[in-house]
Amino acid sequence: EAQVTQNPRYLITVTGKKLTVTCSQNMNHEYMSWYRQDPGLGLRQIYYSMNVEVTDKGDVPEGYKVSRKEKRNFPLILESPSPNQTSLYFCASSLSRGFGGELFFGEGSRLTVL
Amino acid sequence: AQRVTQPEKLLSVFKGAPVELKCNYSYSGSPELFWYVQYSRQRLQLLLRHISRESIKGFTADLNKGETSFHLKKPFAQEEDSAMYYCALLSGGYQKVTFGTGTKLQVIP
Repeated sequence: EAQVTQNPRYLITVTGKKLTVTCSQNMNHEYMSWYRQDPGLGLRQIYYSMNVEVTDKGDVPEGYKVSRKEKRNFPLILESPSPNQTSLYFCASSLSRGFGGELFFGEGSRLTVL
Repeated sequence: AQRVTQPEKLLSVFKGAPVELKCNYSYSGSPELFWYVQYSRQRLQLLLRHISRESIKGFTADLNKGETSFHLKKPFAQEEDSAMYYCALLSGGYQKVTFGTGTKLQVIP
């Protein structure tokens, strides 16, 4: 089944403890991106990647890192998580530039930083 | 910078009543606009895009460049339409996606 898979789905951690949220897609999509969803703020783009080794900042990149070493994977790294990074995170992928906008989303990862 | 505004956080309508979810945008270039929907316990998914001029599940949306709007409409709401709806703008050479804050549609039986 074609899909975007995120792990973990739920995570509670403490301030400063590095964590990685993985994202994998099996559709051979070039474009991948991360969003956070917060009440009243909707979805905000954190980082995106047009292809392997090509990444760029979205609207709210502070406190996050990403890497794109393989086409299928796009992990989100929180080097030193803080409570303001408590949020619901979504990974999404799309076929290519000029894709007409259809993003395929993962199920989301709910992160709580204490 | 681009911006997408959805003024209503919650819209409640009775079953069979018309629905209009508002979306206004701010963008200096040529916009590509979309509506995404998130049903309860499901992933966010594309509902429709303006370039297709299609009707999906009875919903339509027309891009009005003069009013910088892309409102989502349906003539007769169904209970299964209850969901969270997000308007989204594609920009930056198809790299950047800006979402609105979302409108929760509640269809009352």
